[in-house]
This record gives sequence, structure tokens and C-alpha cells, in this order.
Amino acid sequence: SQTIHQWPATLVQPVGSPLSLECTVEGTSNPNLYWYRQAAGRGLQLLFYSVGIGQISSEVPQNLSASRPQDRQFILSSKKLLLSDSGFYLCACQEGEVQPQHFGDGTRLSIL
Amino acid sequence: SQKIEQNSEALNIQEGKTATLTCNYTNYSPAYLQWYRQDPGRGPVFLLLIRENEKEKRKERLKVTFDTTLKQSLFHITASQPADSATYLCALNRPLFSGGYNKLIFGAGTRLAVHP
Repeated sequence: SQTIHQWPATLVQPVGSPLSLECTVEGTSNPNLYWYRQAAGRGLQLLFYSVGIGQISSEVPQNLSASRPQDRQFILSSKKLLLSDSGFYLCACQEGEVQPQHFGDGTRLSIL
Repeated sequence: SQKIEQNSEALNIQEGKTATLTCNYTNYSPAYLQWYRQDPGRGPVFLLLIRENEKEKRKERLKVTFDTTLKQSLFHITASQPADSATYLCALNRPLFSGGYNKLIFGAGTRLAVHP
């Protein structure tokens, strides 16, 4: 079964600083990969998804970008963080249609 | 656009009772619906998936129903235990005709507290 690794678990960054969150997946090949953000008491908001290396789709316009340099590596980045980028960021993978999504344990990002 | 409604108030029940959580949606009926459990500070964990042509799905003490007429899914935990305390999320897929690729829309979740 798949294992999703996310790091760091928590991160405190100043406004205007860059960001790089990494997600790696084990136990599967060519998965669909997803980045979500979860605000307190809210549902998961899909930010980006990828169906293959170098293929990224963005769900909402924002200050963030994503890249998939390898099959099982998904990176979330920003050049300049905003206060509104604070939140709980989750990476997920899915092996195909009508399959569950498997999540990492997330990164809690606080912007000061 | 599709909206998912889960009771935002916490559900408090006594150990041993059956917990019933509700997920209502407002627009198209999804091809399938999923339930996840999320503990504080952790990622969601998949529990059950039910397809549009299935009325009910069971897994150990868990049961999910799917009523496309009512646009509702119910999630039941029988013989509940304090260890079942968590937030439970409902998720629906987007139909392929929207151009989306197998994407899920998540509800905000309902927090369940099982008291000894």
C-alpha cells in the first residue's frame, strides 16, 4: 500500500519569504498526486493535481505553484509568502479512478 | 456548483451507542462517495467508498448508505468506542464531463465525541 511522506511537519515563515514543501510517495507507480489546503474547521481545498511527471493543473489562482520533477515527488512552492497562505497543507495520492485517496500527515504552515 | 453539507456541530454520544453522521449534497449526484476519518493534526484516512448504484456498504462496525433521491449519505458506527472520536469527512467525486480528472470535493466534516 502507498505511504506518503511530507515534511516538515510544522513551519513558521515570515511574510515575503519563499516556500518549498515536499511530498514523496512509496508503494505505487504513476499515481495521481494532489495538494490540498485545509483551514481550521473547513473542508479540504484542492490547490493542484498532477497526472504525471511535469503535468500540473491548478484549481484556484493563488500565490503558490507546484511541480512534479519525478513520478513520486510533488513539490509545493511560493516565491513570496502572504499571510493568507497560512494553513494545513496536505499531499495525497490516488492510484486510479474510483479509488480512495491516501494522505500524508500534512505540514502546518504559519506565516508571521 | 456542488455543495456538500455536513453537520458542523459536534456529535456527542455514549459509548456503545450507534453514531449516525449525515452528508447532504446539493447538485448533481456523484458517481461515488467516500468517507474519511481525520484525527487532530493528521491527514484524513480512507474508510469506505460507495458507488451510485449501491444502496449500502459495510465494513466491520461501519455502514454507509447512499440515497441519490434524497441526495444524502449516512455514515453509521455501531457499538461506538471512545477511540472512534474524530472528525469524519464526506467526499464526492466530480463528474468527468466537467473536465476534471477524478477530483474529490470534501465536506468540512463532523466531529464525533464518544464518551465512556
